[in-house]
Amino acid sequence: LAKTTQPISMDSYEGQEVNITCSHNNIATNDYITWYQQFPSQGPRFIIQGYKTKVTNEVASLFIPADRKSSTLSLPRVSLSDTAVYYCLGSHGSSNTGKLIFGQGTTLQVKP
Amino acid sequence: DTGVSQDPRHKITKRGQNVTFRCDPISEHNRLYWYRQTLGQGPEFLTYFQNEAQLEKSRLLSDRFSAERPKGSFSTLEIQRTEQGDSAMYLCASSVTGGVDTGELFFGEGSRLTVL
Repeated sequence: LAKTTQPISMDSYEGQEVNITCSHNNIATNDYITWYQQFPSQGPRFIIQGYKTKVTNEVASLFIPADRKSSTLSLPRVSLSDTAVYYCLGSHGSSNTGKLIFGQGTTLQVKP
Repeated sequence: DTGVSQDPRHKITKRGQNVTFRCDPISEHNRLYWYRQTLGQGPEFLTYFQNEAQLEKSRLLSDRFSAERPKGSFSTLEIQRTEQGDSAMYLCASSVTGGVDTGELFFGEGSRLTVL
């Protein structure tokens, strides 16, 4: 599974767009990029997943350039409730185990 | 609620005691995972089951740790002779195989262990 690197922390203000970039230089051909969100005292929650180009759902957008060596999670107009830790992970598209390896994540603090 | 359920949510024990955590996955999910998370760190993989078979164990899982999933449904994680370093949040997750694996694991809210 791809080793990922992302900023340890970010600050933002309510209403702003937040972009969190993740580097995954050694991503394998069959790896997907998956993002999870974790609030204090809760388990992580799946946000979005993509292979390349752009994916959008009701929560976020995910941008993956053609070389797939990085990806950017975009959260539009954040609110205080978006304060959480965000994890970028590589996961197999046709998995043997489904196991996910988490890094330290990015702690996003949204201020009023 | 049909999500992943973990019990107990909180456990305080004295060093040397045994503790057991239970996880009930989403009913149709055949894969079940245990993770451990300490403050400020991401979840660390411990072990996983496909149905009742334990297919992988991390080197983090010392001999004092044992996990079972006897009938391929709920799972238990037992820690014997607890140490203060075992204090952590123990997370259970489940997923379903078949078709394209999206990598989505469904996590429970965790069982927080404090060893005094």
